[in-house]
Amino acid sequence: KNQVEQSPQSLIILEGKNCTLQCNYTVSPFSNLRWYKQDTGRGPVSLTIMTFSENTKSNGRYTATLDADTKQSSLHITASQLSDSASYICVVSDRGSTLGRLYFGRGTQLTVWP
Amino acid sequence: EADIYQTPRYLVIGTGKKITLECSQTMGHDKMYWYQQDPGMELHLIHYSYGVNSTEKGDLSSESTVSRIRTEHFPLTLESARPSHTSQYLCASSGKTVASGNTIYFGEGSWLTVV
Repeated sequence: KNQVEQSPQSLIILEGKNCTLQCNYTVSPFSNLRWYKQDTGRGPVSLTIMTFSENTKSNGRYTATLDADTKQSSLHITASQLSDSASYICVVSDRGSTLGRLYFGRGTQLTVWP
Repeated sequence: EADIYQTPRYLVIGTGKKITLECSQTMGHDKMYWYQQDPGMELHLIHYSYGVNSTEKGDLSSESTVSRIRTEHFPLTLESARPSHTSQYLCASSGKTVASGNTIYFGEGSWLTVV
């Protein structure tokens, strides 16, 4: 069964600190991996998209890495801000069909304290 | 910023009522999706459309129905709401298939509570 597992489930850090969120997946055949940020009560917003050949991608203070061999990804947030408090969702797409499908993790709930 | 809009954002209705959740996008995307998300849980695909007059059921069984008469409009309807339908419903769209790595844009969501 294709799955996406994220850890930790929740995380509290102080403003200005760095943190790393983890995503392990078993989706096969792999097409791409996305990280989304979802503020409470809002829709997810795309942070990064990585294909098989990419092992790192940055978007401002967010840096995602991908190891397609071990089927692991991480999202590193540097110099955290209060506005980073949100759920971060890892989403993996397969290419088992022409159209592909998405597999969602349950997210890591990040809280940044002042 | 995504140009995809959902209404209403919040809705409380009684059991047995008929409701329609509206979703519109102005990006000209062919692909549109409806997801259901309970608090702290992952998103589940309930309906998708790859173009006008094309609709398919998703992975999660749902008693809702959808229509795609216009490219920009993808409404979801519940003929008779029940408390088990209480959830957040998220509409999304993309210009290409998910396998292509194209960005998928989400609306702000519609929170439905059935009492």
